[in-house]
Amino acid sequence: NAGVTQTPKFRVLKTGQSMTLLCAQDMNHEYMYWYRQDPGMGLRLIHYSVGEGTTAKGEVPDGYNVSRLKKQNFLLGLESAAPSQTSVYFCASRQTSGSFYEQYFGPGTRLTVT
Amino acid sequence: TQLLEQSPQFLSIQEGENLTVYCNSSSVFSSLQWYRQEPGEGPVLLVTVVTGGEVKKLKRLTFQFGDARKDSSLHITAAQPGDTGLYLCAGAPYSGAGSYQLTFGKGTKLSVIP
Repeated sequence: NAGVTQTPKFRVLKTGQSMTLLCAQDMNHEYMYWYRQDPGMGLRLIHYSVGEGTTAKGEVPDGYNVSRLKKQNFLLGLESAAPSQTSVYFCASRQTSGSFYEQYFGPGTRLTVT
Repeated sequence: TQLLEQSPQFLSIQEGENLTVYCNSSSVFSSLQWYRQEPGEGPVLLVTVVTGGEVKKLKRLTFQFGDARKDSSLHITAAQPGDTGLYLCAGAPYSGAGSYQLTFGKGTKLSVIP
């Protein structure tokens, strides 16, 4: 049982390049989330999904797109990377009920945009 | 918008000392969670408190949920270097708009010096 996994672990992009971050969970969780974490800013929600085929905007969605084609996977895309998107990105998942909203996090992807 | 304020932001103490971290809000939460994040890793859930006034103990860590469900504290007795990390509190809303999301505090960065 791997829990929540993220690939890649590190990535360096040049301004304007695109990339996709992959999140996978093997806990059969319905809800999945993408956060970014910056010094002094805490965890900020980018997008989330409440089930396969659904996505919704979080607090800081601009410049990002997401897709949830399969229940176990949640993809985060950057179409044209900007230096302001340099951050550590975390994926998380949770059950629908009976869990008091507890979220399980992946190990993170450290992205640098130059 | 619900906000969670954590204090202190940084804490550096000697091994064996006691400490308390606070998490405060003007909003009421249905439950509150504490996570610990070690460098280079994702947050890991420590505990969830659900009932106003509830106290939970996890070895040397004691968690309390305020009577009004607006605040929480984490007390560590006889801190050890292994307690070093970023401590995050997160509040879960009652059902309704935004009920899929947690509100995270910005964290308390704890360093325990041997």
